Amino acid sequence: DAGVIQSPRHEVTEMGQEVTLRCKPISGHNSLFWYRQTMMRGLELLIYFNNNVPIDDSGMPEDRFSAKMPNASFSTLKIQPSEPRDSAVYFCASSLFAGEGVSGRGNEQFFGPGTRLTVL
Amino acid sequence: AQSVTQPDIHITVSEGASLELRCNYSYGATPYLFWYVQSPGQGLQLLLKYFSGDTLVQGIKGFEAEFKRSQSSFNLRKPSVHWSDAAEYFCAVGTLRGANNLFFGTGTRLTVIP
Repeated sequence: DAGVIQSPRHEVTEMGQEVTLRCKPISGHNSLFWYRQTMMRGLELLIYFNNNVPIDDSGMPEDRFSAKMPNASFSTLKIQPSEPRDSAVYFCASSLFAGEGVSGRGNEQFFGPGTRLTVL
Repeated sequence: AQSVTQPDIHITVSEGASLELRCNYSYGATPYLFWYVQSPGQGLQLLLKYFSGDTLVQGIKGFEAEFKRSQSSFNLRKPSVHWSDAAEYFCAVGTLRGANNLFFGTGTRLTVIP
């Protein structure tokens, strides 16, 4: 089991540039989550998908951020244009959601190694 | 709405000493509870989880946690800390009904001194 795969692991870019972060969830998982971690704000949920459909994007900071999940094995988080305050570690996580009201493994999430983004 | 409080931002313990990290949650129904650990430069790794049944759950690396409904707590414990346990620890709560996202606490950073 390869786990959740994120790329790139490190990204350094200049203000105003477009940044695309990529995530491959664990095979068979049907939920995918994007988080941002900073010293000041801790771990923040940005958006999550169930069965490739965005469920809650209330954590997305502003319109410069967008996320897509075109299929069950791939998701992207895009920042356009990037700003220095976007510098953070971005994590992707996946889980197997059995459905509302269904007991089982519940909402255990498996995290990727993260992408450290630096915007100069 | 669900929420998690980790009242200790930073804890320092001596190697070999016992450890208890506090976690309090807020949720009206039966929660799912998790403890994750994050080593420097790494992602979050699940230590243990509580869904139902025995309120004392065992996890990896010698950790355990006890669910106390009356206190809305899920404290993490380890009888003897190793230097390699130095990391950031996150408590999280999930729910059976409704959204399947998790709510994370702000984390507790553990420093282990020789």
